[in-house]
Order: sequence, then structure tokens, then C-alpha cells
Amino acid sequence: GAVVSQHPSRVICKSGTSVKIECRSLDFQATTMFWYRQFPKQSLMLMATSNEGSKATYEQGVEKDKFLINHASLTLSTLTVTSAHPEDSSFYICSARTENYNEQFFGPGTRLTVL
Amino acid sequence: GIQVEQSPPDLILQEGANSTLRCNFSDSVNNLQWFHQNPWGQLINLFYIPSGTKQNGRLSATTVATERYSLLYISSSQTTDSGVYFCAVEPEGNTGGFKTIFGAGTRLFVKA
Repeated sequence: GAVVSQHPSRVICKSGTSVKIECRSLDFQATTMFWYRQFPKQSLMLMATSNEGSKATYEQGVEKDKFLINHASLTLSTLTVTSAHPEDSSFYICSARTENYNEQFFGPGTRLTVL
Repeated sequence: GIQVEQSPPDLILQEGANSTLRCNFSDSVNNLQWFHQNPWGQLINLFYIPSGTKQNGRLSATTVATERYSLLYISSSQTTDSGVYFCAVEPEGNTGGFKTIFGAGTRLFVKA
């Protein structure tokens, strides 16, 4: 199956700082990438959908100025959590798919802790 | 929007037992996938199954799209099967572009 990587796997930061999370498709070109957020013992909630070369589509209730998404190439999407606060602490997971591939493949996730 | 319901929410099995997990969805879907989330958080693709039946080792899945449900069968369960099983669907006529909706998951614990 296709492989998706995420970096970093874990990050601890101080309140008010910004954190960037990278999502890469390693062996395929991802025309569409997705960012999810997961709280403990809960399901995945879609935050936004990004297509290469265009602006991301954010889900209702997700602040686009706080969660900046850039899908600069067919293998890389980044999520930047700006001015992070403790309530932003969560598990962030990306996924990727291609036009010809209906399956989504997920990265290993990034655990963000904001102190 | 579409509702995705999974049952049971929690399941405890003795090693070697069989089980069936269910996913009901409230509207027509283009795609349906089953995932296993391991204790480290990684989502592992089990099946891409918008319709029909598939088998992979001890696991098999069946989706009856006309009746809007899917079943995941686990046979001869092992402790390594523990984790959360998610059903995820892409609604038909999805103008948002491949949006995927996850169910709440079934939390499985297999006892040795």
C-alpha cells in the first residue's frame, strides 16, 4: 500500500508559539490531502481538505487563520498551528489520496501538547 | 449530513473468539473503508469496500450498499487485534471533494 509520513511525531511547545506539521506521500503523488484532529477516545474529525496548488477547504468551525494549510507540491502538505494554546493540544493526522486511487492512506499522526 | 453509526461501541473478546462489527450509514456512499487504529495511533487500511465482499486472512468485510450497512468479521481473534476499528464513508454526490466521514469506532480488547 501507499505510504504517508508525518513529521514531527510528537511536539511540545509553549503557549503563543506556532508549530508546523509536515505530511508527505512517499511513493505516490497526492492530488488531495486531508487533515484530521482526534481527541482522546474520540473519532477523527476532518479539519480541512487541500488540493495541490489551490487553497484549502476548511470544515465548519475550523479557523482558517489559526490552522494554516499549504499543499505546495504533489507530495507535501503542511499544517501550521499559529499562536497555539493549550486547547489546541490534540492528535493531528493527515491522509492522502490520488485521483485514480479512491482509498485514503494515513500518516502516523502528530501529538501536539501546548503548555 | 450523512450519519455513520458503528456498533458495538466496545467489545471484549477472549483470544480465539470470532466477532462481527457493524457500520450503518444514513445515505448513499461512493466509498467505504475500514481502518484499525493501533495503540500508537496509526490508522491501518483494512478494506476499501464500497460494495461486495472481501477477505484478507482472518478478516473479511461485506458491504450491502442498497441497505446502507457494512460488516467487518474478525475470526480467531488475537491480542494484536486490540485497538479501535473505524468505518469511514465518502457520501455520494460529494460536492466538497472526497470528504470522508468517520464513525465513532468500535473499541476492541482481546484478552489472552
